[in-house]
Amino acid sequence: KAGVTQTPRYLIKTRGQQVTLSCSPISGHRSVSWYQQTPGQGLQFLFEYFSETQRNKGNFPGRFSGRQFSNSRSEMNVSTLELGDSALYLCASSLVVGPEGEKLFFGSGTQLSVL
Amino acid sequence: GEDVEQSLFLSVREGDSSVINCTYTDSSSTYLYWYKQEPGAGLQLLTYIFSNMDMKQDQRLTVLLNKKDKHLSLRIADTQTGDSAIYFCAESSNAGKSTFGDGTTLTVKP
Repeated sequence: KAGVTQTPRYLIKTRGQQVTLSCSPISGHRSVSWYQQTPGQGLQFLFEYFSETQRNKGNFPGRFSGRQFSNSRSEMNVSTLELGDSALYLCASSLVVGPEGEKLFFGSGTQLSVL
Repeated sequence: GEDVEQSLFLSVREGDSSVINCTYTDSSSTYLYWYKQEPGAGLQLLTYIFSNMDMKQDQRLTVLLNKKDKHLSLRIADTQTGDSAIYFCAESSNAGKSTFGDGTTLTVKP
């Protein structure tokens, strides 16, 4: 079974631009969540989508948005980029919570650098 | 809100046991997890424990949970250089959202 795929692997943007990151979950997984990882802030939860609906949201400004398609693929968008948005963005997919809880399967991430 | 805390660094000698500690604040945490992150990669689930359990063993890994003190630990027996990585503790009490600690960087010296 293919793992979680994130594209692109690396991105370099300048302040004020916008960016779209893509995530393809493991086949059969309907939940996709996004995390921002930085050396200073650790792993911060952005949002989670389940069956095309945003089910959970973290404490990020409205510049960060996402969506999920009917095939469970997800995209996240960051508008008006700031230097502080430079980070590793990780996508994770999971099955519906069951007896073993929510086991997250992570992609390798998209490393975003904002200059 | 939920908070998860871990010590940032741990250094051990190859062959020794490693113990990584974690504390959490959410008393309604249902599941607690340990993830491993190697350089340039995403996180990989290592093991997990349900909140009504005290201990779980999985090969070289032992998870201990003290629910009263909200303390979780991961013990790695016979630590190898390949175990060098960042280890994250995480809790989940809400479907679709996990809260992670800042990660413990484990360095294994030969």
